[in-house]
Amino acid sequence: NAGVTQTPKFQVLKTGQSMTLQCAQDMNHEYMSWYRQDPGMGLRLIHYSVGAGITDQGEVPNGYNVSRSTTEDFPLRLLSAAPSQTSVYFCASSYIGQEQYFGPGTRLTVT
Amino acid sequence: GDSVTQMEGPVTLSEEAFLTINCTYTATGYPSLFWYVQYPGEGLQLLLKATKADDKGSNKGFEATYRKETTSFHLEKGSVQVSDSAVYFCALSDPGGSYIPTFGRGTSLIVHP
Repeated sequence: NAGVTQTPKFQVLKTGQSMTLQCAQDMNHEYMSWYRQDPGMGLRLIHYSVGAGITDQGEVPNGYNVSRSTTEDFPLRLLSAAPSQTSVYFCASSYIGQEQYFGPGTRLTVT
Repeated sequence: GDSVTQMEGPVTLSEEAFLTINCTYTATGYPSLFWYVQYPGEGLQLLLKATKADDKGSNKGFEATYRKETTSFHLEKGSVQVSDSAVYFCALSDPGGSYIPTFGRGTSLIVHP
């Protein structure tokens, strides 16, 4: 099993650009989620999904969109990048109520 | 709602010292409890877990016991190594309540030779 994969590993964007962060898992997990991690802020939940076609907002959803057309994939879209979105982004998956499996992260800088 | 509180860091220790990182929680149901570790530049990975009261999770010399009476899940290790330097997160999942896991803010551990 590859586990949870994320691409790209690093990305630099200019303010106003859009992009998609990719996340995929091969463990048939129902639950998938996106977090951002900033110094001193811990993990903050952006969006989550409990199955294909079902998504919901987390703690900090503004400026981000998600979709879940398959069990395996859960991409995160930045609509119009802002410097405040400079962060490390983690995707995670799990069976509901069980331990989370995290991807290696995407380090995003918005200039 | 559910919450997890863990001690603020950084925790700085010398090699072979005893480690305790405190974690307490509030939950409406009967949660499972977890410790995750994040090494520099990596994602979080599960270190250990416990699914019911009085269970002890253990891995790589780390231990934590699920204490329902004190709503705690403190992480301990008898002799830390430089390679244990990382950020440690306490977390809970409550299958009977919200299925969204709740994480603590993380505690940075720095071990000096």
